[in-house]
Amino acid sequence: DAGITQSPRYKITETGRQVTLMCHQTWSHSYMFWYRQDLGHGLRLIYYSAAADITDKGEVPDGYVVSRSKTENFPLTLESATRSQTSVYFCASVRGVNYEQYFGPGTRLTVT
Amino acid sequence: GESVGLHLPTLSVQEGDNSIINCAYSNSASDYFIWYKQESGKGPQFIIDIRSNMDKRQGQRVTVLLNKTVKHLSLQIAATQPGDSAVYFCAENRGNTGKLIFGQGTTLQVKP
Repeated sequence: DAGITQSPRYKITETGRQVTLMCHQTWSHSYMFWYRQDLGHGLRLIYYSAAADITDKGEVPDGYVVSRSKTENFPLTLESATRSQTSVYFCASVRGVNYEQYFGPGTRLTVT
Repeated sequence: GESVGLHLPTLSVQEGDNSIINCAYSNSASDYFIWYKQESGKGPQFIIDIRSNMDKRQGQRVTVLLNKTVKHLSLQIAATQPGDSAVYFCAENRGNTGKLIFGQGTTLQVKP
């Protein structure tokens, strides 16, 4: 089915572990984004990508790494997870500037 | 700092009434605005958008108004239904990056 998917949907990990959250879109959208959503903070941009092999930092990039070797995939890696990274993570994509972003269903990550 | 914000964190309305959700933005250079609806446990869902060369746009039961003079955006929902209960976010696109800046969100509660 066409759309944007995220995996896993739920993840529990321990402090210090590396975790990778996956995002896949089937529209061949150029732009992709990672957000985290916490109570009281709305949606905050972590990283974004304008095209394959082009990434840039957002508002809260510390502790995260991204890559984009293929247009359709945009994985987010927490290199050494901390409790403060407990959050809901959303991936989004958009075909171009000044168009609506489409969001995935989210990954709920708990770091113990 | 510059931000996109909503005036009220929670709005409670009676089923069948009209709802108005407000948003203030501070960057006069913003040229594209979006309203999203987020239901519990789901990703944000696009409702309606408006470009800065417009002051009003209508969709199905929804209307977005843009007042650039006072940097104000509003979402009007006609004949509010229980299924409209959700958190509503406004977002603005600044420049040619594809990035969106989100407000904190307003929770709409519909009373039967």
